Amino acid sequence: AQSVTQPDIHITVSEGASLELRCNYSYGATPYLFWYVQSPGQGLQLLLKYFSGDTLVQGIKGFEAEFKRSQSSFNLRKPSVHWSDAAEYFCAVVRGGGSNYKLTFGKGTLLTVNP
Amino acid sequence: DVKVTQSSRYLVKRTGEKVFLECVQDMDHENMFWYRQDPGLGLRLIYFSYDVKMKEKGDIPEGYSVSREKKERFSLILESASTNQTSMYLCASSQQVGNQPQHFGDGTRLSIL
Repeated sequence: AQSVTQPDIHITVSEGASLELRCNYSYGATPYLFWYVQSPGQGLQLLLKYFSGDTLVQGIKGFEAEFKRSQSSFNLRKPSVHWSDAAEYFCAVVRGGGSNYKLTFGKGTLLTVNP
Repeated sequence: DVKVTQSSRYLVKRTGEKVFLECVQDMDHENMFWYRQDPGLGLRLIYFSYDVKMKEKGDIPEGYSVSREKKERFSLILESASTNQTSMYLCASSQQVGNQPQHFGDGTRLSIL
Protein backbone atom coordinates (compact mmCIF):
# COMPACT_ATOMS: atom_id res chain seq x y z
CA ALA A 1 0.00 0.00 0.00
CA GLN A 2 1.10 3.53 -0.68
CA SER A 3 2.51 5.38 2.31
CA VAL A 4 4.19 8.67 3.09
CA THR A 5 6.74 9.33 5.82
CA GLN A 6 7.71 12.75 7.07
CA PRO A 7 10.57 11.96 9.47
CA ASP A 8 10.62 15.35 11.19
CA ILE A 9 7.67 16.16 13.42
CA HIS A 10 8.92 19.65 14.30
CA ILE A 11 11.64 21.83 12.80
CA THR A 12 12.83 25.23 14.01
CA VAL A 13 14.79 27.58 11.78
CA SER A 14 15.84 31.20 11.97
CA GLU A 15 14.34 33.75 9.65
CA GLY A 16 16.49 34.02 6.54
CA ALA A 17 17.94 30.52 6.90
CA SER A 18 17.42 27.82 4.31
CA LEU A 19 14.86 25.09 4.81
CA GLU A 20 14.49 21.47 3.75
CA LEU A 21 11.52 19.34 4.79
CA ARG A 22 11.84 15.64 4.11
CA CYS A 23 9.27 13.35 2.57
CA ASN A 24 9.67 9.67 1.65
CA TYR A 25 7.02 7.69 -0.15
CA SER A 26 6.29 4.08 -0.86
CA TYR A 27 4.74 3.45 -4.26
CA GLY A 28 5.34 0.98 -7.05
CA ALA A 29 4.99 3.16 -10.12
CA THR A 30 5.75 6.81 -10.83
CA PRO A 31 3.83 8.60 -8.14
CA TYR A 32 1.77 11.74 -8.20
CA LEU A 33 3.10 13.83 -5.30
CA PHE A 34 1.95 17.00 -3.58
CA TRP A 35 3.07 19.35 -0.85
CA TYR A 36 0.44 21.28 1.12
CA VAL A 37 0.78 23.95 3.79
CA GLN A 38 -1.65 24.60 6.64
CA SER A 39 -1.56 27.86 8.58
CA PRO A 40 -3.07 27.79 12.08
CA GLY A 41 -6.83 27.41 12.01
CA GLN A 42 -6.95 27.13 8.23
CA GLY A 43 -7.44 24.46 5.62
CA LEU A 44 -4.68 23.07 3.42
CA GLN A 45 -3.23 25.11 0.57
CA LEU A 46 -1.42 23.48 -2.33
CA LEU A 47 2.25 24.49 -2.59
CA LEU A 48 3.33 22.36 -5.54
CA LYS A 49 2.84 19.08 -7.35
CA TYR A 50 4.84 16.51 -9.29
CA PHE A 51 3.48 14.22 -11.98
CA SER A 52 6.29 13.53 -14.41
CA GLY A 53 9.06 15.19 -16.35
CA ASP A 54 11.44 17.65 -14.72
CA THR A 55 12.32 16.38 -11.28
CA LEU A 56 12.68 19.87 -9.80
CA VAL A 57 9.31 21.57 -9.47
CA GLN A 58 8.60 25.13 -8.50
CA GLY A 59 5.69 26.14 -6.34
CA ILE A 60 4.12 29.16 -4.76
CA LYS A 61 5.71 31.33 -2.05
CA GLY A 62 9.24 30.57 -3.27
CA PHE A 63 9.12 26.85 -2.48
CA GLU A 64 10.54 24.09 -4.65
CA ALA A 65 10.74 20.32 -4.36
CA GLU A 66 12.94 17.69 -5.94
CA PHE A 67 11.72 14.22 -6.88
CA LYS A 68 14.40 11.54 -6.48
CA ARG A 69 13.20 8.14 -7.60
CA SER A 70 16.32 6.34 -6.39
CA GLN A 71 15.71 7.60 -2.86
CA SER A 72 11.89 7.55 -2.98
CA SER A 73 11.98 11.11 -1.77
CA PHE A 74 10.23 14.38 -2.54
CA ASN A 75 11.86 16.96 -0.28
CA LEU A 76 10.58 20.51 -0.01
CA ARG A 77 13.07 23.39 0.02
CA LYS A 78 13.19 27.13 0.38
CA PRO A 79 16.41 29.17 0.20
CA SER A 80 15.40 31.84 2.72
CA VAL A 81 12.59 31.37 5.21
CA HIS A 82 10.25 34.20 6.18
CA TRP A 83 8.38 34.45 9.49
CA SER A 84 5.12 33.97 7.60
CA ASP A 85 6.25 30.48 6.56
CA ALA A 86 5.58 29.21 10.08
CA ALA A 87 2.93 26.54 9.53
CA GLU A 88 2.44 22.81 9.23
CA TYR A 89 3.52 21.12 6.02
CA PHE A 90 2.08 17.93 4.59
CA CYS A 91 3.40 15.69 1.86
CA ALA A 92 0.88 13.50 0.02
CA VAL A 93 0.87 10.75 -2.62
CA VAL A 94 -2.04 9.76 -4.84
CA ARG A 95 -3.44 6.27 -4.44
CA GLY A 96 -6.19 4.47 -6.28
CA GLY A 97 -7.22 4.84 -9.88
CA GLY A 98 -10.08 5.27 -12.28
CA SER A 99 -12.63 7.53 -10.62
CA ASN A 100 -11.32 6.76 -7.18
CA TYR A 101 -8.22 8.85 -6.76
CA LYS A 102 -7.45 9.48 -3.11
CA LEU A 103 -4.54 11.00 -1.22
CA THR A 104 -2.37 9.42 1.45
CA PHE A 105 -0.89 12.12 3.68
CA GLY A 106 2.17 12.14 5.83
CA LYS A 107 1.68 13.09 9.45
CA GLY A 108 3.04 16.57 8.86
CA THR A 109 6.04 18.68 9.87
CA LEU A 110 5.46 21.72 12.04
CA LEU A 111 7.76 24.60 11.13
CA THR A 112 8.66 27.24 13.70
CA VAL A 113 10.53 30.34 12.52
CA ASN A 114 12.63 32.28 15.02
CA PRO A 115 13.16 36.01 14.46
CA ASP B 1 -10.22 30.00 -7.95
CA VAL B 2 -11.81 26.92 -6.47
CA LYS B 3 -13.90 27.66 -3.45
CA VAL B 4 -14.73 24.96 -0.91
CA THR B 5 -16.99 26.27 1.83
CA GLN B 6 -17.69 24.53 5.10
CA SER B 7 -20.80 25.78 6.84
CA SER B 8 -19.31 26.22 10.31
CA ARG B 9 -15.83 27.07 11.57
CA TYR B 10 -16.61 26.04 15.15
CA LEU B 11 -19.32 23.76 16.44
CA VAL B 12 -20.13 22.49 19.94
CA LYS B 13 -22.52 19.57 20.37
CA ARG B 14 -23.47 17.13 23.08
CA THR B 15 -22.89 13.39 23.30
CA GLY B 16 -25.59 11.45 21.53
CA GLU B 17 -26.69 14.28 19.25
CA LYS B 18 -26.97 13.83 15.51
CA VAL B 19 -24.52 16.25 13.90
CA PHE B 20 -24.42 17.49 10.32
CA LEU B 21 -21.35 19.07 8.73
CA GLU B 22 -21.97 20.68 5.38
CA CYS B 23 -19.57 21.33 2.52
CA VAL B 24 -20.16 23.09 -0.79
CA GLN B 25 -17.79 23.49 -3.75
CA ASP B 26 -18.24 25.80 -6.71
CA MET B 27 -16.02 24.22 -9.37
CA ASP B 28 -18.21 21.37 -10.61
CA HIS B 29 -15.76 18.79 -9.23
CA GLU B 30 -16.81 15.16 -9.39
CA ASN B 31 -14.92 14.02 -6.30
CA MET B 32 -15.49 15.19 -2.76
CA PHE B 33 -13.84 14.05 0.47
CA TRP B 34 -14.19 14.27 4.23
CA TYR B 35 -11.14 14.03 6.49
CA ARG B 36 -10.55 14.37 10.16
CA GLN B 37 -7.33 15.85 11.46
CA ASP B 38 -5.90 15.08 14.88
CA PRO B 39 -2.53 16.10 16.36
CA GLY B 40 0.17 13.59 15.54
CA LEU B 41 -2.11 11.57 13.24
CA GLY B 42 -2.26 13.84 10.22
CA LEU B 43 -5.28 13.70 7.93
CA ARG B 44 -7.34 10.54 7.81
CA LEU B 45 -9.97 9.92 5.15
CA ILE B 46 -13.46 9.24 6.50
CA TYR B 47 -15.55 9.00 3.32
CA PHE B 48 -15.40 10.15 -0.24
CA SER B 49 -17.82 10.48 -3.11
CA TYR B 50 -17.07 10.25 -6.83
CA ASP B 51 -20.55 11.09 -8.09
CA VAL B 52 -23.96 12.20 -6.93
CA LYS B 53 -25.49 9.62 -4.60
CA MET B 54 -22.27 7.58 -4.74
CA LYS B 55 -20.04 7.13 -1.72
CA GLU B 56 -17.20 4.96 -0.58
CA LYS B 57 -15.72 4.34 2.82
CA GLY B 58 -12.35 5.76 3.56
CA ASP B 59 -9.93 4.61 6.23
CA ILE B 60 -11.98 5.49 9.33
CA PRO B 61 -15.71 5.43 8.46
CA GLU B 62 -17.00 4.00 11.74
CA GLY B 63 -19.49 6.30 13.45
CA TYR B 64 -19.98 8.45 10.35
CA SER B 65 -22.19 8.53 7.29
CA VAL B 66 -22.38 10.88 4.32
CA SER B 67 -24.88 12.23 1.87
CA ARG B 68 -24.43 13.63 -1.61
CA GLU B 69 -27.74 14.60 -3.17
CA LYS B 70 -26.29 17.33 -5.39
CA LYS B 71 -22.94 17.49 -7.13
CA GLU B 72 -21.77 20.59 -5.29
CA ARG B 73 -22.75 19.52 -1.78
CA PHE B 74 -21.32 16.79 0.44
CA SER B 75 -22.54 16.30 4.00
CA LEU B 76 -20.90 14.42 6.84
CA ILE B 77 -23.23 13.00 9.47
CA LEU B 78 -22.34 11.87 12.97
CA GLU B 79 -25.27 9.62 13.77
CA SER B 80 -24.75 9.72 17.55
CA ALA B 81 -21.88 11.98 18.48
CA SER B 82 -19.30 10.77 20.96
CA THR B 83 -16.46 12.57 22.70
CA ASN B 84 -13.85 10.72 20.63
CA GLN B 85 -15.23 12.47 17.55
CA THR B 86 -13.99 15.82 18.83
CA SER B 87 -11.66 16.88 16.04
CA MET B 88 -10.98 19.18 13.12
CA TYR B 89 -12.96 18.12 10.06
CA LEU B 90 -11.79 19.07 6.58
CA CYS B 91 -13.71 18.84 3.34
CA ALA B 92 -12.01 18.72 -0.06
CA SER B 93 -12.94 18.43 -3.71
CA SER B 94 -11.10 17.53 -6.89
CA GLN B 95 -11.51 16.71 -10.54
CA GLN B 96 -11.72 13.03 -11.33
CA VAL B 97 -8.17 12.89 -12.65
CA GLY B 98 -5.25 11.50 -10.71
CA ASN B 99 -2.87 14.34 -11.34
CA GLN B 100 -5.21 17.07 -10.16
CA PRO B 101 -4.91 18.33 -6.59
CA GLN B 102 -7.57 18.34 -3.95
CA HIS B 103 -8.84 21.73 -2.83
CA PHE B 104 -9.67 22.17 0.83
CA GLY B 105 -12.12 24.15 2.90
CA ASP B 106 -11.05 25.99 6.04
CA GLY B 107 -12.23 23.23 8.33
CA THR B 108 -14.78 22.80 11.11
CA ARG B 109 -13.50 22.43 14.63
CA LEU B 110 -16.06 20.20 16.31
CA SER B 111 -16.23 19.71 20.06
CA ILE B 112 -18.44 17.01 21.55
CA LEU B 113 -19.19 17.56 25.23
